[in-house]
Amino acid sequence: KQEVTQIPAALSVPEGENLVLNCSFTDSAIYNLQWFRQDPGKGLTSLLLIQSSQREQTSGRLNASLDKSSGRSTLYIAASQPGDSATYLCAVTNSGYALNFGKGTSLLVTP
Amino acid sequence: ETGVTQTPRHLVMGMTNKKSLKCEQHLGHNAMYWYKQSAKKPLELMFVYSLEERVENNSVPSRFSPECPNSSHLFLHLHTLQPEDSALYLCASSPGTGYGYTFGSGTRLTVV
Repeated sequence: KQEVTQIPAALSVPEGENLVLNCSFTDSAIYNLQWFRQDPGKGLTSLLLIQSSQREQTSGRLNASLDKSSGRSTLYIAASQPGDSATYLCAVTNSGYALNFGKGTSLLVTP
Repeated sequence: ETGVTQTPRHLVMGMTNKKSLKCEQHLGHNAMYWYKQSAKKPLELMFVYSLEERVENNSVPSRFSPECPNSSHLFLHLHTLQPEDSALYLCASSPGTGYGYTFGSGTRLTVV
């Protein structure tokens, strides 16, 4: 059974800092890995999708990397802003349809 | 809007009520999903439909009954729920396996 772990569970940083969120998974036979953002009480917004054959994806100030063999992914956020405050979720797909989620990292960026 | 629309946004129901959650996607995707998000727990997959056929039922109690009349619409019928069923219910869609998901905004359900 795929287990997804996200570290840290919570993070507080001052505005302007660069930061890294970590995700690890136990079964490396994944189809893809997806990072999501969730604001309190809201649905999930997709940030980046990395296929198993890819090493990284970038969108604006976000960069996600994937090391499938070691079962790890990182989400790098450059020049953090208060509007980046949210919970960030990592999820992987193995065979079949299901997304396996971690519990998320709750990020607070203070002005 | 993300292309996946869920209604209602909030729902309060008694344990003897019957209600339904609705999800609609305008993305031309072939697969639709129901997920449950409870406090302090990872999102849990409940049901998967592919081309209107149920392909996964993740040991969900029978008081939750899904319906997928076509590839654009998905319902979750609720009856005789328990207070522990209170959660955020999220609908998602994807083009198929191995592709990214798009989520709706969710329905916040409270069972009293």
